[in-house]
Amino acid sequence: DAKTTQPTSMDCAEGRAANLPCNHSTISGNEYVYWYRQIHSQGPQYIIHGLKNNETNEMASLIITEDRKSSTLILPHATLRDTAVYYCIVRGSFNDYKLSFGAGTTVTVRA
Amino acid sequence: DTGVSQNPRHKITKRGQNVTFRCDPISEHNRLYWYRQTLGQGPEFLTYFQNEAQLEKSRLLSDRFSAERPKGSFSTLEIQRTEQGDSAMYLCASSLGRAGVYSSYNEQFFGPGTRLTVL
Repeated sequence: DAKTTQPTSMDCAEGRAANLPCNHSTISGNEYVYWYRQIHSQGPQYIIHGLKNNETNEMASLIITEDRKSSTLILPHATLRDTAVYYCIVRGSFNDYKLSFGAGTTVTVRA
Repeated sequence: DTGVSQNPRHKITKRGQNVTFRCDPISEHNRLYWYRQTLGQGPEFLTYFQNEAQLEKSRLLSDRFSAERPKGSFSTLEIQRTEQGDSAMYLCASSLGRAGVYSSYNEQFFGPGTRLTVL
């Protein structure tokens, strides 16, 4: 699976949009971009995934660049409960059974 | 609660003792995964089951570790002769999936984990 690069940490003001970047310059054509988050003392939670089109669900939006070498997760209106570690994961089609987590981005939402 | 459950939530043991953790996946999920997470790191894949068959084991899973899923439902992870380096959070996840079929997404639902401390 392609490796990802994320900032170690970022702060966000409550009620504002949080934009979380992820670089995956070695991504191949059949690999998807996934985002999970882990709130303190809990297991990871799936947020969203995409291949090349932008995606939106009730939790977040995922913007993937045209060359697919980077993506941005957008939390439109961050709340204190969004404080968590966010993981960007690239996942291939032939070993889709496992997730390869990096260190992620620690997002702190401040009131 | 229909999520993934894990027991115990916390386990403190002395070095050299054996420990066993249990994971109960979401009932209709045929895939079950074990991960290990140490402080400040993301989870690392250990092993996965498709129904009762263990299809993949990470090299992180030394011969002191064994996992089973005897009836394709709950799973157990046993660590024999624990070492201080085994101290970690052990996470279980489950998902739907069919062997040999590429699924464009395979959302894994994680349990709360079992925190192991080896003294």
